[in-house]
Amino acid sequence: GAVVSQHPSWVICKSGTSVKIECRSLDFQATTMFWYRQFPKQSLMLMATSNEGSKATYEQGVEKDKFLINHASLTLSTLTVTSAHPEDSSFYICSASPSGLAGASMYQETQYFGPGTRLLVL
Amino acid sequence: AQTVTQSQPEMSVQEAETVTLSCTYDTSESDYYLFWYKQPPSRQMILVIRQEAYKQQNATENRFSVNFQKAAKSFSLKISDSQLGDAAMYFCAYGTSGSRLTFGEGTQLTVNP
Repeated sequence: GAVVSQHPSWVICKSGTSVKIECRSLDFQATTMFWYRQFPKQSLMLMATSNEGSKATYEQGVEKDKFLINHASLTLSTLTVTSAHPEDSSFYICSASPSGLAGASMYQETQYFGPGTRLLVL
Repeated sequence: AQTVTQSQPEMSVQEAETVTLSCTYDTSESDYYLFWYKQPPSRQMILVIRQEAYKQQNATENRFSVNFQKAAKSFSLKISDSQLGDAAMYFCAYGTSGSRLTFGEGTQLTVNP
């Protein structure tokens, strides 16, 4: 239980283009999903909290116009990196927390993580 | 603001031995959750164990157990009978109901055969 997928797992794009990353909770519903960025050998840095049906809450210093988040359903959140530049190259990870009744082998108030997306901007 | 501190950037253990990873946190909340996540080279974050602060009993999951000292704000992870597959970065994390997680800086665990 508690499986979160991310797509794509690996993306290379040219500078100036936009990239969309999808995060799906496969066996549970999630009112709230989270987007993190991680640099090599460092901890996770929260970028934004994605709430189903409402605007995302961004952390201080994160450009909301550059990192567009949409949480259109209880199982899907997307992160779009607009006009990507080489400094946006990083590892992006999403997480989701079961809402309502948690199923077997999963806990409420617990974040389950996707496998991450490696973004390289040339 | 809540903070989580992992004072051991690196640890090593011999296969089949026991190792303890340290974590301390700071909060003024009385109701919260604590977690240990494992991140192997694949970089997939895997939940190892969770503890609800209102529960006095220490959580256990097979070879993994915690020593939760609420008054001392300490939450250490003990790995018994270490296996090669336990080699990973381990992150301690703190969270409250419905909110973000605060992560420590991580401890890189090496398991020597």
